[in-house]
Amino acid sequence: ETGVTQTPRHLVMGMTNKKSLKCEQHLGHNAMYWYKQSAKKPLELMFVYSLEERVENNSVPSRFSPECPNSSHLFLHLHTLQPEDSALYLCASSQDQTPTQYFGPGTRLTVL
Amino acid sequence: QKEVEQDPGPLSVPEGAIVSLNCTYSNSAFQYFMWYRQYSRKGPELLMYTYSSGNKEDGRFTAQVDKSSKYISLFIRDSQPSDSATYLCAMSARGDSGSRLTFGEGTQLTVNP
Repeated sequence: ETGVTQTPRHLVMGMTNKKSLKCEQHLGHNAMYWYKQSAKKPLELMFVYSLEERVENNSVPSRFSPECPNSSHLFLHLHTLQPEDSALYLCASSQDQTPTQYFGPGTRLTVL
Repeated sequence: QKEVEQDPGPLSVPEGAIVSLNCTYSNSAFQYFMWYRQYSRKGPELLMYTYSSGNKEDGRFTAQVDKSSKYISLFIRDSQPSDSATYLCAMSARGDSGSRLTFGEGTQLTVNP
């Protein structure tokens, strides 16, 4: 595997379900990010982890819960989501002294 | 007012045309400027990265930054159908890992054969 991978690529869930999104980076980076991409809107930063510490939580509802067990893996735990949470969820990573971020392919989430 | 303004298009051009994509911004602290290309059903792919003002060229792509006008551009020469994608501008005030990127809405480009 190379770059940034995300699983699953597609997810359909009901509002009462609990699911998790997984991201893995194979670039040796030390920071990871979750973004939400909705139609006709700019990418919205959700969470930032640098050296496995959460450094930013961009006013995201508590129904989204991130986890970063090590510098290569990032999870987004989902529970009791709303239909408006349907979007493309993107993971990214970056390395020291550079703001350039590398993105995974995303998870297309549909909440029914 | 949005921090970053980008015309969402859609923009449609014939193959071989020169394409100009632009973003304006309001935060004078931005120093790092990036262009990403996003194909349908894929994640954004880093295309160009520029620090501060000036030009940067990579093959058919040229990125320009004019900090005095708070204006950045991406030019695509000899455009190809494979360039059809959404182009996102992004910028940051800091140069270190973990720094926040602010994105434009993206411009959808179609290059017709």
